[in-house]
Amino acid sequence: GAVVSQHPSWVICKSGTSVKIECRSLDFQATTMFWYRQFPKQSLMLMATSNEGSKATYEQGVEKDKFLINHASLTLSTLTVTSAHPEDSSFYICSAESGGSNTGELFFGEGSRLTVL
Amino acid sequence: RKEVEQDPGPFNVPEGATVAFNCTYSNSASQSFFWYRQDCRKEPKLLMSVYSSGNEDGRFTAQLNRASQYISLLIRDSKLSDSATYLCAVTPGGSYIPTFGRGTSLIVHP
Repeated sequence: GAVVSQHPSWVICKSGTSVKIECRSLDFQATTMFWYRQFPKQSLMLMATSNEGSKATYEQGVEKDKFLINHASLTLSTLTVTSAHPEDSSFYICSAESGGSNTGELFFGEGSRLTVL
Repeated sequence: RKEVEQDPGPFNVPEGATVAFNCTYSNSASQSFFWYRQDCRKEPKLLMSVYSSGNEDGRFTAQLNRASQYISLLIRDSKLSDSATYLCAVTPGGSYIPTFGRGTSLIVHP
């Protein structure tokens, strides 16, 4: 199956710093990638849809100035959590569809666990 | 009512047991349905898609009931390695972006 790689897997930072998470599609081109956030024992919540070469589409309630998304190439999308605070601590997961099939079948990156002290 | 609902469990079953989970969805125009498996502190991985006619993959059977708006996952002959959280995902009509349930936790014990 398609492979999506995410980095870093773990990050611990101080409050007020910014953290960048990378998401790469390794064996296919992804014009669209999705960023999810998952709190303990909760469902995956879609934060934003990342579109190659254009602005991301954010879900209601997600601050676009706080969660900066850049999708500069067909294989890389980045999520930057700016001025992170303890309440931003969560599991961030990116995903993509293979081949632009638009079926809803997603391949996920390994996830990035962010802890803000 | 939430778009996609699952009983969080946990379902605690012995090895060899048969266990079934349901997942209800609110949007009657939903198009695509999936079951994902998520191990502790890991990313979700697609287990199987759910087709209108139902589908089976080894010990796993998924079914769709459009009239009652739910999908189900049946696991036969449970293994210890089946212990995980099972997420359902539903793609609403007009969108290909799935909405996930919060997952059902399964614990298979010896």
